[in-house]
Amino acid sequence: AQSVAQPEDQVNVAEGNPLTVKCTYSVSGNPYLFWYVQYPNRGLQFLLKYITGDNLVKGSYGFEAEFNKSQTSFHLKKPSALVSDSALYFCAVRDGGKGRRALTFGSGTRLQVQP
Amino acid sequence: DVKVTQSSRYLVKRTGEKVFLECVQDMDHENMFWYRQDPGLGLRLIYFSYDVKMKEKGDIPEGYSVSREKKERFSLILESASTNQTSMYLCASRSGLAGADEQFFGPGTRLTVL
Repeated sequence: AQSVAQPEDQVNVAEGNPLTVKCTYSVSGNPYLFWYVQYPNRGLQFLLKYITGDNLVKGSYGFEAEFNKSQTSFHLKKPSALVSDSALYFCAVRDGGKGRRALTFGSGTRLQVQP
Repeated sequence: DVKVTQSSRYLVKRTGEKVFLECVQDMDHENMFWYRQDPGLGLRLIYFSYDVKMKEKGDIPEGYSVSREKKERFSLILESASTNQTSMYLCASRSGLAGADEQFFGPGTRLTVL
């Protein structure tokens, strides 16, 4: 089985400050990890992914995420938050081995960036 | 640009009605997925399909069925809609090629069952 936990329902940060949105995962094989963002009344947009290689991956809009195998985590980060980053963020995992072909998503974290 | 379209953005139906949600992708993707999104629960997988006429149950298939007669189209069917099926429904697709890992999502259909 595969699962994802996003322990924070909401994260509040001031504009210009660094932000972190937390994610931990569980898979039996190699983890394929993803972050998606959802703006109001929109579908999900892909931000970044980790499949293999460097533990720090960079994605769209200045976001990055760090894969930590020992802690089974894949936290999303940005050095300097913008008000326009306010949205709902989802972490997702897929077993890269013989597992299911579908992504399993976390419950989502709402990011609120205050001006 | 990959495009995934869903037939309706908003839909209101009555309890007991048969409901069809349609999804079309234009990138010749092998894999297609239906999720429902509910506050605090994230996205939950209903069904997915990895080829024409092939389907697999996801985590919450009860009360739903699917149809994939053509590669580009994946339909979700609520045989007899109930109020607990009021939700946002999201369709996604992904290429079957090795290394193609990203799922592309449609804009969603917000279904209300009265």
